[in-house]
Amino acid sequence: DAGITQSPRHKVTETGTPVTLRCHQTENHRYMYWYRQDPGHGLRLIHYSYGVKDTDKGEVSDGYSVSRSKTEDFLLTLESATSSQTSVYFCAISETDRGPPRPDGYTFGSGTRLTVV
Amino acid sequence: GQQLNQSPQSMFIQEGEDVSMNCTSSSIFNTWLWYKQDPGEGPVLLIALYKAGELTSNGRLTAQFGITRKDSFLNISASIPSDVGIYFCAGHTYNNNDMRFGAGTRLTVKP
Repeated sequence: DAGITQSPRHKVTETGTPVTLRCHQTENHRYMYWYRQDPGHGLRLIHYSYGVKDTDKGEVSDGYSVSRSKTEDFLLTLESATSSQTSVYFCAISETDRGPPRPDGYTFGSGTRLTVV
Repeated sequence: GQQLNQSPQSMFIQEGEDVSMNCTSSSIFNTWLWYKQDPGEGPVLLIALYKAGELTSNGRLTAQFGITRKDSFLNISASIPSDVGIYFCAGHTYNNNDMRFGAGTRLTVKP
């Protein structure tokens, strides 16, 4: 419906294991983002992408990597999950206005709740 | 980085009451935005404000972009049960495409 889906919706994993979260869009938007949401912190940017194979770090990128091999998919990988990465992860896409992303054009996915035990 | 201070953290109100929440920052923003998040869902944009002093309404919601560009408020009039959720402010700056979010205000409306 909104053109953005996240998978899985819930995941429990053990400390030290790798985890990959997927964000898929059908809107053909150039910009895609990964955020984490924690109580008392709101949403904090992990990484973002401005095109296929073009990514950059956000505010809290340590311990995370991303890849974008196709316009429609943006993957977030935790190479070795830690308990501090227990969080709700949101993907977002944004429309652009002749180049830069429009701040009022963000659409968020429904989130992935990740628990690291 | 730029920090947004959103208050209050939570509110418990009676149906029909008006609600006010605000966001302040030590830095200026080009755009202020207000989002609502329902349980199990991502944030959804309610109102976007583009210039200092701007006052914008969306139904029972009214938001203002502070004249110093460092603050914004959101008012909800005559609250109803479906207003329950978490409300987030966000500030955006164009020069580095930076979007920052407040920690949220959790609203509970008692019928």
